[in-house]
Amino acid sequence: QQQVKQSPQSLIVQKGGIPIINCAYENTAFDYFPWYQQFPGKGPALLIAIRPDVSEKKEGRFTISFNKSAKQFSLHIMDSQPGDSATYFCAASKGAGSYQLTFGKGTKLSVIP
Amino acid sequence: NAGVMQNPRHLVRRRGQEARLRCSPMKGHSHVYWYRQLPEEGLKFMVYLQKENIIDESGMPKERFSAEFPKEGPSILRIQQVVRGDSAAYFCASSRGATDTQYFGPGTRLTVL
Repeated sequence: QQQVKQSPQSLIVQKGGIPIINCAYENTAFDYFPWYQQFPGKGPALLIAIRPDVSEKKEGRFTISFNKSAKQFSLHIMDSQPGDSATYFCAASKGAGSYQLTFGKGTKLSVIP
Repeated sequence: NAGVMQNPRHLVRRRGQEARLRCSPMKGHSHVYWYRQLPEEGLKFMVYLQKENIIDESGMPKERFSAEFPKEGPSILRIQQVVRGDSAAYFCASSRGATDTQYFGPGTRLTVL
């Protein structure tokens, strides 16, 4: 059973566009939702994270929107650049002090010039 | 400050051989996590270790897989009698504390022939 569902599987946008990646979860015990960026041949790197007490968080060109009632969260990348081309993973963990991250399957983003 | 180091980066083994994957956490980090990433899949938690202790191995296959994090030296993930289904990327992450951000290494890509 997949606990975090991520879509789309792949995404192509033009430079300057705003790609949106969506994730949905079922376990209401999840209370920490990070996004990771992974370039080919590299490990995932933490991009931005949110907790359910806020509905939106921005860091630079990256924004997480969180809908607790729908159990959904999404990543928006403003003014996307070719250098943003990577695979993006959403994840979730539950409980205070939890360490076990549950990942979505990933979205491969291509930003074309 | 060097990041999480993993070696080897690529490992090829024949069926039945043993694979040993090494992970050196970031300086000051005493918590280590191993994840496995199958092709086209997200990362799946395997095991969480602190120095000389296995805290949670709920994601580890019951047979052939073992992990350790000795007092001195890197953490080791050992896979005995490898099978083709073990082919995957294995990522190690480390954190300062159990609730702190996990930083990932570049991974070891295991290919079983």
